[in-house]
Amino acid sequence: QQPVQSPQAVILREGEDAVINCSSSKALYSVHWYRQKHGEAPVFLMILLKGGEQKGHDKISASFNEKKQQSSLYLTASQLSYSGTYFCGLSLNRDDKIIFGKGTRLHILP
Amino acid sequence: GAGVSQSPSNKVTEKGKDVELRCDPISGHTALYWYRQSLGQGLEFLIYFQGNSAPDKSGLPSDRFSAERTGGSVSTLTIQRTQQEDSAVYLCAAQEPSGSLTGELFFGEGSRLTVL
Repeated sequence: QQPVQSPQAVILREGEDAVINCSSSKALYSVHWYRQKHGEAPVFLMILLKGGEQKGHDKISASFNEKKQQSSLYLTASQLSYSGTYFCGLSLNRDDKIIFGKGTRLHILP
Repeated sequence: GAGVSQSPSNKVTEKGKDVELRCDPISGHTALYWYRQSLGQGLEFLIYFQGNSAPDKSGLPSDRFSAERTGGSVSTLTIQRTQQEDSAVYLCAAQEPSGSLTGELFFGEGSRLTVL
């Protein structure tokens, strides 16, 4: 059930855009995105439920393609504060456990 | 308290000893998770408690690991006969009740376990 994230790592300059992908081999109920900064606990970004919706706040948004069992996280005009490791988590059913991928390390250069 | 509290924050133990890690979740959050994170690695699922349902123990790596949740609140993760490969940060997370708007996980700061 563990999702596959790509790329494993990204280095960007401030202001550039990034896309992080997350895919599953099984049908999904929900996709969860978290960001973890070094030495800190993961912090919630957003959750997407099956239905193919897209969500976003500030310059971070995500989409969920139910048919392809994929989700993508979009970071637009990246800021230094966006640096960290991004994890996608998948749940197969409502009230089912959330399993996380191995993460994507994002480093933003000034 | 307002957040998820874990103790101890750091634990150094000798190989073969037993350890207990405690998680005090947010009041009213019916779901509780334990994850393990080795240095520079991802979030490895260990166990999931959801309300009064039987816990999902499918992520526990061996029978040396066990967890319980008393009264739907505080949870204890026990590792018996610790091995060096058990060294990691153990994270507890509480989740809002089913049907909530976000399903957000609130993570504690973790318990860093070092087995010598």
